[in-house]
Amino acid sequence: GESVGLHLPTLSVQEGDNSIINCAYSNSASDYFIWYKQESGKGPQFIIDIRSNMDKRQGQRVTVLLNKTVKHLSLQIAATQPGDSAVYFCARGESSYKLIFGSGTRLLVRP
Amino acid sequence: DADVTQTPRNRITKTGKRIMLECSQTKGHDRMYWYRQDPGLGLRLIYYSFDVKDINKGEISDGYSVSRQAQAKFSLSLESAIPNQTALYFCATSDATVQETQYFGPGTRLLVL
Repeated sequence: GESVGLHLPTLSVQEGDNSIINCAYSNSASDYFIWYKQESGKGPQFIIDIRSNMDKRQGQRVTVLLNKTVKHLSLQIAATQPGDSAVYFCARGESSYKLIFGSGTRLLVRP
Repeated sequence: DADVTQTPRNRITKTGKRIMLECSQTKGHDRMYWYRQDPGLGLRLIYYSFDVKDINKGEISDGYSVSRQAQAKFSLSLESAIPNQTALYFCATSDATVQETQYFGPGTRLLVL
């Protein structure tokens, strides 16, 4: 069945380094993908999204890469800061209203 | 996101009690959602509403009911709470023109004893 999963449950990076959070999906029919950031005690916050007609999309300090051949999605955070510490979720759109979420990766930023 | 608010933020209740979680939004979005978050399971959809007269079950609707009182308000009820409904509950909204992008409230932490 369809699923969205993450390779690593926890990622620890040095402040100032780049972070890469990975996500795999199994449904090749998906045409929309989205990344959320969830800080402790808060709801998921939209970071960036991408449609399947694109391979790459950039935001402020973040880049999402989509490799449809291997069904892989990644979120790159440049110059990681302490405020980036959070759980990051990838999700894919199964329809106009339904998002299928992965279980999350916790990003820890070491000072 | 301050545009989506949830009350209460924390709630402790006993098995068998009826409780209601409320969600309000000022984003002007037509679509509203209720999710449940458990550790290690991500977010799962309980109910969703496309407008005031259009309410649909999600993947885990058993034991829950909802009411869309207005475009801006969507409440979730647990008719008879049970311990395995202990979880984080999130409300979300989306715009019909950018349907897939959902914006979440701060969540309600519910503990059923």
